[in-house]
Amino acid sequence: DQQVKQNSPSLSVQEGRISILNCDYTNSMFDYFLWYKKYPAEGPTFLISISSIKDKNEDGRFTVFLNKSAKHLSLHIVPSQPGDSAVYFCAATNTFTSVGTYKYIFGTGTRLKVLA
Amino acid sequence: EPEVTQTPSHQVTQMGQEVILRCVPISNHLYFYWYRQILGQKVEFLVSFYNNEISEKSEIFDDQFSVERPDGSNFTLKIRSTKLEDSAMYFCASSLEGNEQFFGPGTRLTVL
Repeated sequence: DQQVKQNSPSLSVQEGRISILNCDYTNSMFDYFLWYKKYPAEGPTFLISISSIKDKNEDGRFTVFLNKSAKHLSLHIVPSQPGDSAVYFCAATNTFTSVGTYKYIFGTGTRLKVLA
Repeated sequence: EPEVTQTPSHQVTQMGQEVILRCVPISNHLYFYWYRQILGQKVEFLVSFYNNEISEKSEIFDDQFSVERPDGSNFTLKIRSTKLEDSAMYFCASSLEGNEQFFGPGTRLTVL
């Protein structure tokens, strides 16, 4: 069940440059998307989210873009810093489920390495 | 900053034994979740819990699994008779509203 895919298992970027992480989804019922960052031996940490009524959301160095027609979202990190090195997961959910608890469907993750 | 905590950080058990994984969600949160991540695989949804009952569960969450909120602070996942394939990282999460779940650091379960 590959409803959410991150096709790049790893990415290396020079410090100060832009990191672009990509995510594709197949389920057109998804209407809310999130990016999480995960360090080894820690739980996922929420980064940024976007609703399907928007095509862009920005928070500091992090921007998420959503292209609904292509069922594609991306996370841009500008400028990239060595502390950004982690595994990044995208997640998707359908907020029109019952009782308001939202099941996240995660991608497989992209390991970002920012080189100093 | 409030955070989700989980205990133990690592649990080793023999196949067939019962385990209870414990979580303390963020205190004013209303929605609770368990996810797991088998080594090298994606994070998978197990169950969501709201208003003292299960809201949704995945196919993974069979009769061997149960969840409970025994008091006002803890949220537990019980596996009645562990199998080798239950070995994974188990993450608890909580949210104030439905979205933006906050995850704990996880419990690594090793079934021998």
